[in-house]
Amino acid sequence: GENVEQHPSTLSVQEGDSAVIKCTYSDSASNYFPWYKQELGKRPQLIIDIRSNVGEKKDQRIAVTLNKTAKHFSLHITETQPEDSAVYFCAATNFGNEKLTFGTGTRLTIIP
Amino acid sequence: GAGVSQSPSNKVTEKGKDVELRCDPISGHTALYWYRQSLGQGLEFLIYFQGNSAPDKSGLPSDRFSAERTGGSVSTLTIQRTQQEDSAVYLCASSLGGGAREKLFFGSGTQLSVL
Repeated sequence: GENVEQHPSTLSVQEGDSAVIKCTYSDSASNYFPWYKQELGKRPQLIIDIRSNVGEKKDQRIAVTLNKTAKHFSLHITETQPEDSAVYFCAATNFGNEKLTFGTGTRLTIIP
Repeated sequence: GAGVSQSPSNKVTEKGKDVELRCDPISGHTALYWYRQSLGQGLEFLIYFQGNSAPDKSGLPSDRFSAERTGGSVSTLTIQRTQQEDSAVYLCASSLGGGAREKLFFGSGTQLSVL
């Protein structure tokens, strides 16, 4: 089955700086990679996703890049703000599979 | 409209007791998932329901765990003879269609503590 590794487990950045979270996956058949954000005490919510037919996708201050050859993908947050503080989970699956395999999460703290 | 609803929000039980956790998905969502979130761990897949198809139970950690979904809507996750290692947040999620490529809408979870 799929195995997703996520690094780092914790990350602190100054407000306004950029943050990068990286994930690797094991199953070369995986072709869908979403990112979920879980604020303290709240439920996980989808913030961005990418399919394997593209290498990068942006949505305002967040972007995700995918390297299929190396089997890794990353979340980039620019101009970080206090409300970006949360736990971020990457995940992977393929269209023939019905379940997402999640990484272990990254706790991002934005320092004012 | 209402999101995914889970109850109870917190459950404290004694080792060896049975517990039932409930999930009420978003109306019209055909897919329903149960995940477990342990401290410092990711989201561990437990079970998946899609319409009237047989559920995917491949993530259930032992035969003490079972789940059902009645009428294609409400789901109940049952843990029998609870153990301390069962302590975790149990999250339910639903999606409009089938397949993990659909956006998952999570409930707020049930915090289970086994003493």
